Amino acid sequence: EAQVTQNPRYLITVTGKKLTVTCSQNMNHEYMSWYRQDPGLGLRQIYYSMNVEVTDKGDVPEGYKVSRKEKRNFPLILESPSPNQTSLYFCASSIRTGKGGANVLTFGAGSRLTVL
Amino acid sequence: AQSVTQLDSQVPVFEEAPVELRCNYSSSVSVYLFWYVQYPNQGLQLLLKYLSGSTLVKGINGFEAEFNKSQTSFHLRKPSVHISDTAEYFCAVSGRQGGSEKLVFGKGTKLTVNP
Repeated sequence: EAQVTQNPRYLITVTGKKLTVTCSQNMNHEYMSWYRQDPGLGLRQIYYSMNVEVTDKGDVPEGYKVSRKEKRNFPLILESPSPNQTSLYFCASSIRTGKGGANVLTFGAGSRLTVL
Repeated sequence: AQSVTQLDSQVPVFEEAPVELRCNYSSSVSVYLFWYVQYPNQGLQLLLKYLSGSTLVKGINGFEAEFNKSQTSFHLRKPSVHISDTAEYFCAVSGRQGGSEKLVFGKGTKLTVNP
């Protein structure tokens, strides 16, 4: 089944304890992206990657890191989590058709992170 | 740059009633438009999209949307809703030019269908 898999789905952690949220897709998609969803704010892009070893900042990158060493994986790293990073996180991917913004995103099921 | 405004944060309706979820966008270039749906405790999935051609777009589960360039709108409609349509709906826009994949989402509209 074609899918985007995120782990963990739920995590409670404490301020300053490094954590990684993994994201893996099995569709050979070139484009991958991380979003955070907060009540009343919708989805905001954190980082995205156009291909292996190519990553760039989205709208809210502060406090996050990413890497894209393999096509299928795009982990989100919180080096020193803070309470304002408590949120619902989504990873998404798409095949790049050359039409840029026409690409349809496939989303993971989400990772709910609580930072105490 | 693009932006999206979803005019209603919450829309309660009764089962079998019609519904319209409103979306307006702003862009200096021509756009692609999308509606995504998020069912409780799930990720987002595509409902429908407008890329080009007919301005009336039909999607899954009986939903449709109409692209109105002069009004810069892309409202979502369904003539008769079911309990199972209870979800959050997101309008999204991306620019046609420059090959950018950047997708800008609205803040979402929570549709609650009551029996």
